[in-house]
Amino acid sequence: DTAVSQTPKYLVTQMGNDKSIKCEQNLGHDTMYWYKQDSKKFLKIMFSYNNKELIINETVPNRFSPKSPDKAHLNLHINSLELGDSAVYFCASSQGTSANEQFFGPGTRLTVL
Amino acid sequence: DQQVKQNSPSLSVQEGRISILNCDYTNSMFDYFLWYKKYPAEGPTFLISISSIKDKNEDGRFTVFLNKSAKHLSLHIVPSQPGDSAVYFCAVMEYGNKLVFGAGTILRVKS
Repeated sequence: DTAVSQTPKYLVTQMGNDKSIKCEQNLGHDTMYWYKQDSKKFLKIMFSYNNKELIINETVPNRFSPKSPDKAHLNLHINSLELGDSAVYFCASSQGTSANEQFFGPGTRLTVL
Repeated sequence: DQQVKQNSPSLSVQEGRISILNCDYTNSMFDYFLWYKKYPAEGPTFLISISSIKDKNEDGRFTVFLNKSAKHLSLHIVPSQPGDSAVYFCAVMEYGNKLVFGAGTILRVKS
């Protein structure tokens, strides 16, 4: 049973398109995150939701819009894709917002052509 | 400006020997530190953590040491095994459970 799952695993698309990445966790956690790993391999947080409410929003272009329909899901929608959006996107979850371990999904490799 | 630095991009160690991975941080207010391990095409997995009230935390073959005055932490793996070959990320916990990661160190354990 996969704890944190993401779909799709790979996504190749043209500049200007709109795409979504889905994330689901079956751990019963109440906090979910999106991280981006860029070409230099740095993992940086983008967003965090606790009980479906946005609690962290880093300086991410507003073309990126997270949506949390319930505590188990946090989807990432990206409008007007740009070449610089090419990266690996990781979803993660944790219980609470105190110092707890975060569980990561397998990542979605997005390539914008 | 990087708040968490892992200055060694890679490390190669013989099986059975000790692996030491290092990490430096800039903000003395950080009080919770973690190590994550990542295999290719997988997400990072939590390995071990340490709070700033401790200077050492041990879990099996893995020990993390924290030197607050030097703003330095290290991960020791003893004995190293080929399955330990992976990328190791050091991370600090900021507000709201936000993890700030270092660039990672690739560990290769040779058999």
